[in-house]
Amino acid sequence: DVKVTQSSRYLVKRTGEKVFLECVQDMDHENMFWYRQDPGLGLRLIYFSYDVKMKEKGDIPEGYSVSREKKERFSLILESASTNQTSMYLCAIDRGNYGYTFGSGTRLTVV
Amino acid sequence: LAKTTQPISMDSYEGQEVNITCSHNNIATNDYITWYQQFPSQGPRFIIQGYKTKVTNEVASLFIPADRKSSTLSLPRVSLSDTAVYYCLVGDSSGYSTLTFGKGTMLLVSP
Repeated sequence: DVKVTQSSRYLVKRTGEKVFLECVQDMDHENMFWYRQDPGLGLRLIYFSYDVKMKEKGDIPEGYSVSREKKERFSLILESASTNQTSMYLCAIDRGNYGYTFGSGTRLTVV
Repeated sequence: LAKTTQPISMDSYEGQEVNITCSHNNIATNDYITWYQQFPSQGPRFIIQGYKTKVTNEVASLFIPADRKSSTLSLPRVSLSDTAVYYCLVGDSSGYSTLTFGKGTMLLVSP
């Protein structure tokens, strides 16, 4: 079974900092995703990637960018963190037809 | 991606069978139906996926009527550890930019 690892479970960053959230998969899946989850809003897609160096905007890409230099690694970047980016961030891979495997999540607090 | 509608919450007792229904009136021919389970502070976990009729695995069954406009996740003999949020997702892995999990159904299992 594929494993999706997010580098941090909890992060606290200051407003204006550049923040990197890392996600690594241990298999060769092409499609990787970044979501954020907030109470009452469910999971919202930020960005996804279908191959190395390829990316597509999701529903809420503003304030974020992504990087995929290697197939197994998909990074989410907050260029200048703001308090409204305090959230749970979830990375996922698609095994096919929405058979997603999610990481454990990173709870980011921006102060 | 077909929009889904689920009950916001459900209550049950240990040992009972729980059925959670999801409506997806605009489901397309190529769409699959997938259910996820999420515990607090964790990423969603794939439970079951189907296209039509009935699918069963070691944890749940999925019933899909012939018109495929709804689906029912059936959890046999629930326990306290089944308390979680359950999400219904419909799609065919195209159009990722509109992917949404919706608000899900909060299932509370009591002793």
